[in-house]
Amino acid sequence: EVQLVESGEGLVQPGSSMKLSCVASGFTFSNYGMNWIRQAPKKGLEWIALIYYDSSSKYYADSVKGRFTISRDNSKNTLYLEMNSLRSEDTAMYYCARSGGLFDYWGQGVMVTVSS
Amino acid sequence: DVVMTQTPPSLSVAIGQSVSISCKSSQSLVASDKNTYLNWLLQSPGRSPKRLIYQVSKLDSGVPDRFSGSGSEKDFTLKISRVEAEDLGVYYCLQGTHLPFTFGSGTKLEIK
Repeated sequence: EVQLVESGEGLVQPGSSMKLSCVASGFTFSNYGMNWIRQAPKKGLEWIALIYYDSSSKYYADSVKGRFTISRDNSKNTLYLEMNSLRSEDTAMYYCARSGGLFDYWGQGVMVTVSS
Repeated sequence: DVVMTQTPPSLSVAIGQSVSISCKSSQSLVASDKNTYLNWLLQSPGRSPKRLIYQVSKLDSGVPDRFSGSGSEKDFTLKISRVEAEDLGVYYCLQGTHLPFTFGSGTKLEIK
């Protein structure tokens, strides 16, 4: 059974940093591109980052470019999102999802709150 | 960026009725490999999104055949025949052809 389990949720102050993890199981993680998507409270879904299966390419939404970094460790079946210079507008539920443009499996999400 | 225009924003339907949700993209979603990466997702209350349909019309495993997807190029439709109580939630279209990937604004389905 495919499972994606995010962790790292919390409350942080504006300007600070935070790192999210997404542990994958039930499939060969190193064969799949992976995405991060977020959802601000009571709002719609926003794609924020994609990483290829071998980390050869990474893409970001303009809203996070230069502040967030997507990475992965295929030996640990883990996807990461390092978030710097956090702003109040980054407050959201963050989801990881498998498979490039196909988004076939999603994690349960973790809440990130940026507030002073 | 590709803009996904999804309508209507909300629907209120009785059990057993049929509904359609439209999603129009600002540019063709046909990829260089000739596939069209248009997905439909359902976010049930308090849950993470779940994919129902991919590549316009292909149903995910376990999705009832009451759900169907159609369309091409820039114009897509999700149809739910014989709505059931478990279908309530917010439906999103999502294009996975062009980066940045983009979502429709969502359609909230309520049961009368």
